[in-house]
Amino acid sequence: NAGVMQNPRHLVRRRGQEARLRCSPMKGHSHVYWYRQLPEEGLKFMVYLQKENIIDESGMPKERFSAEFPKEGPSILRIQQVVRGDSAAYFCASSPPAGLMNTEAFFGQGTRLTVV
Amino acid sequence: AQKVTQAQTEISVVEKEDVTLDCVYETRDTTYYLFWYKQPPSGELVFLIRRNSFDEQNEISGRYSWNFQKSTSSFNFTITASQVVDSAVYFCALSAEGYQKVTFGTGTKLQVIP
Repeated sequence: NAGVMQNPRHLVRRRGQEARLRCSPMKGHSHVYWYRQLPEEGLKFMVYLQKENIIDESGMPKERFSAEFPKEGPSILRIQQVVRGDSAAYFCASSPPAGLMNTEAFFGQGTRLTVV
Repeated sequence: AQKVTQAQTEISVVEKEDVTLDCVYETRDTTYYLFWYKQPPSGELVFLIRRNSFDEQNEISGRYSWNFQKSTSSFNFTITASQVVDSAVYFCALSAEGYQKVTFGTGTKLQVIP
C-alpha cells in the first residue's frame, strides 16, 4: 500500500524556467492538498483539490502558480518563471473522500525546489 | 483567522531527560482539530496525533503524551526519557475548516544529546 508519492524529490531550476511538481495520492484518496515550507519555517497551505476541481486556493500566490488534479494521473503543481524566492520544500498530502476529519491527511516526502 | 504559536524555537536536552514542547492556538471556531507532526532531518512529515476540540482527554502513546487544555488554548507535547532518535523539528497544527486545510506553527527544533 504505497503512500503519497511525490516526484521529483529534488528539482533544480534556473530563474525564469518552469517547475512541475507531481503528487500521486494514496490509493483510494481523491483529495489532495499542497503546502509550501520555506527554509526554517512551518508549512503554509496553498491549495486543496478534488478530482478535476479546485476547492480552496486561498493560499496560492496570485501569479505564476497553478495546480490541477485531473481525472487520470497525478496532481501537478506548476510554477512558471521561477524566482529565487520560490526555493522551498513543497509537500503534498492526500485524504480519503468520506469523513475527512476522521483521519489524518497523509503527507508525501516533499519536493525540494532550488532556484539558481 | 487561525493561529498556532510555538514559542520555543530550539530546545536541547540530554538523552533520557523529559521534554515538553509548548503549543498555543487561536481560533474562533468551536469545532476544530489539533495535530502534532514530526519532521526528522530527512525531511518527511510524520503524523503523531490528531485531537478534536470536544475531546480534552490527555493521551499517552509510549513515551509520548499530550496535554490538551481548552481553557488555556494549549496542546502541549511531552516526550519522556528522550532518545537521540527524537531529534527533529516538531510542528503543532490546527484545522477548523472541516477538511485538511491545516495551519502550522513555526516548529520547535529538538536536539537530544547523547
